[in-house]
Amino acid sequence: SQQGEEDPQALSIQEGENATMNCSYKTSINNLQWYRQNSGRGLVHLILIRSNEREKHSGRLRVTLDTSKKSSSLLITASRAADTASYFCATGYSGNTPLVFGKGTRLSVIA
Amino acid sequence: DTEVTQTPKHLVMGMTNKKSLKCEQHMGHRAMYWYKQKAKKPPELMFVYSYEKLSINESVPSRFSPECPNSSLLNLHLHALQPEDSALYLCASSHGIADTGELFFGEGSRLTVL
Repeated sequence: SQQGEEDPQALSIQEGENATMNCSYKTSINNLQWYRQNSGRGLVHLILIRSNEREKHSGRLRVTLDTSKKSSSLLITASRAADTASYFCATGYSGNTPLVFGKGTRLSVIA
Repeated sequence: DTEVTQTPKHLVMGMTNKKSLKCEQHMGHRAMYWYKQKAKKPPELMFVYSYEKLSINESVPSRFSPECPNSSLLNLHLHALQPEDSALYLCASSHGIADTGELFFGEGSRLTVL
């Protein structure tokens, strides 16, 4: 299976703390994306990092990619209660292969 | 307009009913997707349409029948479903499959099969 694996499966932190989620995958990728899903809602794209990039920032989000270890991390700094959601990594491959979603990390930010 | 619109938001149906889920996007995207998602699980790909043609069917049972009437619309026809088919059904679109770029998701249709 090409499916990525996130860890931890669940994470609970206090407001203001940083949250780090990790994603590992098995085969060479074209890009890796992170999505957020509020409970029972659709997924929202957060950030895309290409295989030739090592780090990317967007607001309070920082994503790293280590292709030698086949892993990525998503850091959310200064978390807020509104960041409470599930976060999924998704790996993109060359050719007509749709994104493959990982199992997700459920983040709870306690006010 | 960067929205994917899904209707209905909620659907309750019996096992003998026939119903449809609808999805619409006006971003000019040429790839459209149906995903099924159970609670606390990742989205599970069902079908992909590329340029209005069915490109991928992930071995989905025939009681789910997709249809792409035009480049903006995607339907999922439901017939003789089972209670285990109860889930959140998500539609998504992207510029194309091959560029593996960002997916735009709708808010989903919550299906309950009694």
